[in-house]
Amino acid sequence: GIQVEQSPPDLILQEGANSTLRCNFSDSVNNLQWFHQNPWGQLINLFYIPSGTKQNGRLSATTVATERYSLLYISSSQTTDSGVYFCANAGNNRKLIWGLGTSLAVNP
Amino acid sequence: DADVTQTPRNRITKTGKRIMLECSQTKGHDRMYWYRQDPGLGLRLIYYSFDVKDINKGEISDGYSVSRQAQAKFSLSLESAIPNQTALYFCATSDSLTSGSYNEQFFGPGTRLTVL
Repeated sequence: GIQVEQSPPDLILQEGANSTLRCNFSDSVNNLQWFHQNPWGQLINLFYIPSGTKQNGRLSATTVATERYSLLYISSSQTTDSGVYFCANAGNNRKLIWGLGTSLAVNP
Repeated sequence: DADVTQTPRNRITKTGKRIMLECSQTKGHDRMYWYRQDPGLGLRLIYYSFDVKDINKGEISDGYSVSRQAQAKFSLSLESAIPNQTALYFCATSDSLTSGSYNEQFFGPGTRLTVL
């Protein structure tokens, strides 16, 4: 079945630092989404990005479908960026398969 | 107002009890999903529905049932709750009319369920 691998599993940053999170896929990229789960458990859609590059404020994402990976960039991190970042991809059966997440802590 | 709502937000119940989690959406989407999340893990799909007359099992449907009462409502039932069903449950929606066959999913706020 489809495998989704995220790295790093854990990340600690000082406020203001930049970071890159990575997601690798074993299957074709069809419906790649990045989510942020905040400390209260809510899932927030960050990007729907099956290919190309998108930016939203301090966050941007790039998906290289031919090489089966996606990157999430966080610039000038803030304490409110803390939480878990998930990527998820749908295979040909249209079901989202999730990675295990990157747990991010941004210290003031 | 939230586009995808879930009730209740928190629930504590006892083993053997029947419990229903409800999901409503105002996004006008035709597809709805139920997931569960266990600590330290990603989400796993329980059931999904592509329209009112369509219900499909996900990867972990045993012990659960669903009802799609209307396009905007999708309920998840635990007929006889057991402790290993303690988890965070999410409802999600997507729209088949956008983005072709593969479409972006939007999530509710989650229901935290504890089975004692």
